[in-house]
Amino acid sequence: DVKVTQSSRYLVKRTGEKVFLECVQDMDHENMFWYRQDPGLGLRLIYFSYDVKMKEKGDIPEGYSVSREKKERFSLILESASTNQTSMYLCASSLWGGSSYEQYFGPGTRLTVT
Amino acid sequence: AQRVTQPEKLLSVFKGAPVELKCNYSYSGSPELFWYVQYSRQRLQLLLRHISRESIKGFTADLNKGETSFHLKKPFAQEEDSAMYYCALSGQGAQKLVFGQGTRLTINP
Repeated sequence: DVKVTQSSRYLVKRTGEKVFLECVQDMDHENMFWYRQDPGLGLRLIYFSYDVKMKEKGDIPEGYSVSREKKERFSLILESASTNQTSMYLCASSLWGGSSYEQYFGPGTRLTVT
Repeated sequence: AQRVTQPEKLLSVFKGAPVELKCNYSYSGSPELFWYVQYSRQRLQLLLRHISRESIKGFTADLNKGETSFHLKKPFAQEEDSAMYYCALSGQGAQKLVFGQGTRLTINP
């Protein structure tokens, strides 16, 4: 069974804190993605990675960074959390080789920044 | 630029009625189009992709390049179809997807 797991389902942090969101996949996928999901805005890509230590900015990378030290793990980092980063964060993975490959999503982390 | 537009944030229909969720896209080349679905308390998952030309759970979607649309259709809605639906696009050779804003579909009994 395909599995993408995220470290927390719910997270509450204070403004200015450094926040780590972890994502792990067990499918040996090359690609991993971080999205934020907001009502009325859909899914917006923050960053993606197509290989270990490789990353590319998505559509809304400001205020975020990522780390991929191992193939199965992709971390999203909020260096200094702000209230406008309150959102649902989704991680996904897929095989490399074209978008025809299905993206598999994690359950999401709902982050609240107060 | 690649863009996906789902003009309806909310759509409500009665059980047994036909359903059409609209999706329009902007892309200069030959796109690959997808529909993803998120049922209540479940993960986002792929519903169908245009290259497969398949019917999944009674849903079909036809790519209309002239109208740059990829509408999702089902002739007879069922209550279990209630969910959030996202249309997504990928450019040729791209590894990533561009998603639309999503349409929340509610099927009334």
